[in-house]
Amino acid sequence: DTGVSQDPRHKITKRGQNVTFRCDPISEHNRLYWYRQTLGQGPEFLTYFQNEAQLEKSRLLSDRFSAERPKGSFSTLEIQRTEQGDSAMYLCASSLGWPSGGPETQYFGPGTRLTVL
Amino acid sequence: GQNIDQPTEMTATEGAIVQINCTYQTSGFNGLFWYQQHAGEAPTFLSYNVLDGLEEKGRFSSFLSRSKGYSYLLLKELQMKDSASYLCAVMDSNYQLIWGAGTKLIIKP
Repeated sequence: DTGVSQDPRHKITKRGQNVTFRCDPISEHNRLYWYRQTLGQGPEFLTYFQNEAQLEKSRLLSDRFSAERPKGSFSTLEIQRTEQGDSAMYLCASSLGWPSGGPETQYFGPGTRLTVL
Repeated sequence: GQNIDQPTEMTATEGAIVQINCTYQTSGFNGLFWYQQHAGEAPTFLSYNVLDGLEEKGRFSSFLSRSKGYSYLLLKELQMKDSASYLCAVMDSNYQLIWGAGTKLIIKP
């Protein structure tokens, strides 16, 4: 399977604990995105990388959230001191990135569902 | 501000045709995407429009009018498996995707 993969698929944690999620993009894709989605809403942009460089972070992303893509391949998203409001589906997507010459279609992984008790 | 509007929910009958509308106001435009999302799963890419007109892909078609800030997704010969949410997203001038909240499509036998 050469699609986007995410691990774990589900995570249940207690408030105040730290959690880390991993995303492996499609191998030739340069861009990697993190989104958060709650029930009945569209994905909410968190941050994205062009290769290993983190180019943009949402203003909604508090300092408890940090993301890395150290070698321009897989990425991790860490949430420190989790709160109940962090409960959501965390989606990772990847795209070819410029100059691909084509539409910047983002392909999504299966997501990590986080439940904070 | 940037805004994507689409109906919250629609109901249609198996075998019929349904049109899901999307209107948008964004800072810049670099294309409009439609994604399908089944409950509890990730969005999957359906279509991309950057020029005005209709793009057809099997049972699904997507239309774009940039001057009106309007798009629709047309689903023909509806099947029960088409029951899902359909998300409209616009790529703005910074090449970021701005997402609508999605339209939940319910298919009845």
